[in-house]
Amino acid sequence: QKEVEQNSGPLSVPEGAIASLNCTYSDRGSQSFFWYRQYSGKSPELIMFIYSNGDKEDGRFTAQLNKASQYVSLLIRDSQPSDSATYLCAVRGDSNYQLIWGAGTKLIIKP
Amino acid sequence: DGGITQSPKYLFRKEGQNVTLSCEQNLNHDAMYWYRQDPGQGLRLIYYSQIVNDFQKGDIAEGYSVSREKKESFPLTVTSAQKNPTAFYLCASKTSGSRETQYFGPGTRLLVL
Repeated sequence: QKEVEQNSGPLSVPEGAIASLNCTYSDRGSQSFFWYRQYSGKSPELIMFIYSNGDKEDGRFTAQLNKASQYVSLLIRDSQPSDSATYLCAVRGDSNYQLIWGAGTKLIIKP
Repeated sequence: DGGITQSPKYLFRKEGQNVTLSCEQNLNHDAMYWYRQDPGQGLRLIYYSQIVNDFQKGDIAEGYSVSREKKESFPLTVTSAQKNPTAFYLCASKTSGSRETQYFGPGTRLLVL
C-alpha cells in the first residue's frame, strides 16, 4: 500500500516567520510531487509542484525534494495570516492518472 | 472563463434516495476524477475517467456510480447503498500529459436529512 504521510498539526507559526511543512512517501519510484493549499470549506488549489531533487522557488514558497530520503517539504517565507490553511501533499504513483494524497497539515499563522 | 463547475453547492439527501452531483469542465481535459473528503481527512478517490465512455473504480467506489458520455461532463450518483454519504465531494480534471496535475472544482457538500 503506497502511502503519503504528513503531520496533521496544527502547526502554529508567528507572522513573518518561516513555516516548514513536511511530507514523506513510501514509493521510491515516485516521480512527481505536488503541494495544494485548502482553505476551510473550499476546494484544494495547486501552489507548487516539483519533479527533480533540490529546491524550487516561487515567490515566498520553496519546495524541497530529497528522493533518497523520500521526503518533500514546503517552506513559506514571511508567513502571513492569509497563509493559514491546510496544506495537502500529493505524489504521483504508478499510474499517470492517479495521485496519492496525504491527510494534510493545518497551518495557523499568528499575527 | 475556463474552469470546472460543480452543482449544487449544497445537497440534501433523504433516506433511500439516489442523488446526482454534477461536474462540468471547459478546459478540454481528458481525465476527470471524483473525490470524497470527510472532516479533518485527506482526499479519497471514488472514481476516475481517462477518456469518454470509460471509467475506473477508485478506493471507495461502493455505493457510487458515474458516467462519462461527454468529455466535458462526469456526473456522480450517490446511491441508497452508500450508508454514510455526508461529506464534501470534489471533482477534478487534468490533461493527459505525464507531468500535468489535477485542478479542482468548488465542491458539493452533501448532507443527509
